[in-house]
Amino acid sequence: NAGVMQNPRHLVRRRGQEARLRCSPMKGHSHVYWYRQLPEEGLKFMVYLQKENIIDESGMPKERFSAEFPKEGPSILRIQQVVRGDSAAYFCASSPTGTGFYEQYFGPGTRLTVT
Amino acid sequence: AQKVTQAQTEISVVEKEDVTLDCVYETRDTTYYLFWYKQPPSGELVFLIRRNSFDEQNEISGRYSWNFQKSTSSFNFTITASQVVDSAVYFCARGNSWGKLQFGAGTQVVVTP
Repeated sequence: NAGVMQNPRHLVRRRGQEARLRCSPMKGHSHVYWYRQLPEEGLKFMVYLQKENIIDESGMPKERFSAEFPKEGPSILRIQQVVRGDSAAYFCASSPTGTGFYEQYFGPGTRLTVT
Repeated sequence: AQKVTQAQTEISVVEKEDVTLDCVYETRDTTYYLFWYKQPPSGELVFLIRRNSFDEQNEISGRYSWNFQKSTSSFNFTITASQVVDSAVYFCARGNSWGKLQFGAGTQVVVTP
């Protein structure tokens, strides 16, 4: 059973470009969470999605960031017009249910570098 | 804001020593979940243990054990007989009812031979 998959593992973008980060949850998991790990700031929740629905986006920056989890295909975290401050590791996690009872399984992360 | 505090930034031990990591959390929820995750140098996040707020039974799993005390809002984690492969950053996290995790700042554990 494959784990959570994220691609790309490393992404380099110039300021002003768009970054698209993909996450395929574990088989049978329909709940996806995105977290960001900024240097010196630790891991922060960004957004929680179920298939075709955003449930909690309280951690998403108000501008330039969006997320989706379509009926078919991976979840996408999209960052428009990237800035240097977006450089971070972005982790996706999945869970079989949308309750806190179950642990979340994390992907290997995407390291975004903005030059 | 409700916080998760890991006061220890780094702990250095010699192999075979025990390591205890402290975690204190704040919450207004009656039902919540507590976790420990490990982040080795390779960068991935590995789930270690989970505890529910309504279950204060402390357990041992292999070399890992934990001490959950609701009265002091603490969820401490112990590695017994540490090994070099235990060197990593360890994160304590509190989860709400729909799974949103709030992480502590992490504790770097360095185990030397």
